[in-house]
Amino acid sequence: NAGVMQNPRHLVRRRGQEARLRCSPMKGHSHVYWYRQLPEEGLKFMVYLQKENIIDESGMPKERFSAEFPKEGPSILRIQQVVRGDSAAYFCASSPGTGGTYEQYFGPGTRLTVT
Amino acid sequence: GENVEQHPSTLSVQEGDSAVIKCTYSDSASNYFPWYKQELGKRPQLIIDIRSNVGEKKDQRIAVTLNKTAKHFSLHITETQPEDSAVYFCAATENDKIIFGKGTRLHILP
Repeated sequence: NAGVMQNPRHLVRRRGQEARLRCSPMKGHSHVYWYRQLPEEGLKFMVYLQKENIIDESGMPKERFSAEFPKEGPSILRIQQVVRGDSAAYFCASSPGTGGTYEQYFGPGTRLTVT
Repeated sequence: GENVEQHPSTLSVQEGDSAVIKCTYSDSASNYFPWYKQELGKRPQLIIDIRSNVGEKKDQRIAVTLNKTAKHFSLHITETQPEDSAVYFCAATENDKIIFGKGTRLHILP
C-alpha cells in the first residue's frame, strides 16, 4: 500500500529556470493539497485540487506558480522563472475526501534550492 | 480566515515527564483538528486527530483535548521518550483546507 509519492526529492534550479514538482496521491485518494515549508517554519497552504479541478488556490502566489491534477497522472506544481525566495520544501498531501473531514497524508517532500 | 496560534514554540522536558502543547483557533466553524509530528528532514506524520463532537481522545501516551467554547485544543504526551523529540504542528480546518500552527520544537532531555 504505497503512500503519497513525490519526485524529485531534491531539485536544484538556477534563477529564471522552471521547476516542476510531481505528486502521486495514495491509492483511492482523489484530493491533493500542496504546502510550502520554509526553513524553521510551519506549513503554508498553497492549493487544493481534485481530478481536473482546482478547488482552492487562495494560498498560491498570483504569478509564476500554477498547479494541475490531470485525469491521468500525477499532480504537478509548476514554478516559472524561479527566484531565491522560492527555495523551500514543498509537500503534497492527499485525502480520500474533503480535507475538512478527512485525514491528510503527506508525501516525503521536494526540497527546491534556487542558486 | 482561520488563524491557528500555537504555544510554546520550543519546549524542553526531562525524559519520563509529560509535555503539553496548546493551540487556539479563530473560526468557530472549524470541526477537525489534527496533530502532526515532523522529524528533521522528514514528512509531517499524522499522530492523532479530534473532531468537534468529541472533547477528548487518547491513543497510548498521546491525548488531545478540545474546548469548542474557548476555541482551544491541546496535545498531551505522557512518559516522554527520546524518540518524541521532533516538531509538532497543530491544525484546524477552514472550509476544505487545513491551516497549521507554526509548530513546537520538543526536546526530550536525558
